[in-house]
Amino acid sequence: QKEVEQDPGPLSVPEGAIVSLNCTYSNSAFQYFMWYRQYSRKGPELLMYTYSSGNKEDGRFTAQVDKSSKYISLFIRDSQPSDSATYLCAMSGRGGTSYGKLTFGQGTILTVHP
Amino acid sequence: DTAVSQTPKYLVTQMGNDKSIKCEQNLGHDTMYWYKQDSKKFLKIMFSYNNKELIINETVPNRFSPKSPDKAHLNLHINSLELGDSAVYFCASSQGGNNYGYTFGSGTRLTVV
Repeated sequence: QKEVEQDPGPLSVPEGAIVSLNCTYSNSAFQYFMWYRQYSRKGPELLMYTYSSGNKEDGRFTAQVDKSSKYISLFIRDSQPSDSATYLCAMSGRGGTSYGKLTFGQGTILTVHP
Repeated sequence: DTAVSQTPKYLVTQMGNDKSIKCEQNLGHDTMYWYKQDSKKFLKIMFSYNNKELIINETVPNRFSPKSPDKAHLNLHINSLELGDSAVYFCASSQGGNNYGYTFGSGTRLTVV
């Protein structure tokens, strides 16, 4: 079983829809939670970063972390065709052998059609 | 003025060959990484270096040998290439092992035939 599980999709939604992306994890040492966006033939770029449990909002994007359930979510409001990409959740522990190491989910392929 | 640049972008080679991928960052970061992304988009860390010192060495065949001549460069040499090595290899950097300030390169797509 992988440390981080993410439904690979693909997910196809109409423009303007609310998108919900999720990951579950098994390692209770994870304390830092991230969402990356990866366009085709490009490297991942950081979208959202959250420490421990709670919510964080940035424009149309909201990240939620529930450490008690080992579950994280990314919501995209008013989705746009330009949001079409692969979304990867990533997690990290604190220091030691986790120094800088990110553990990724498999990525969810999202297509927003006009 | 690319922040993390990798060369080559594409690499097609035969089984058994040896090849190298180069990575350079101009962000002043002290930590650099190699990640491998398989055909299912699963991204997994291979190595990390901090100021030229190996920090993370995941379970990677010893045919893969990273080298960091200075903190701005991290190269990856692969001996005796196998079909299963086909993947996209990403270089990344951050400051002080900071998991927040990662910058990824655009990747090297390796195809072994």
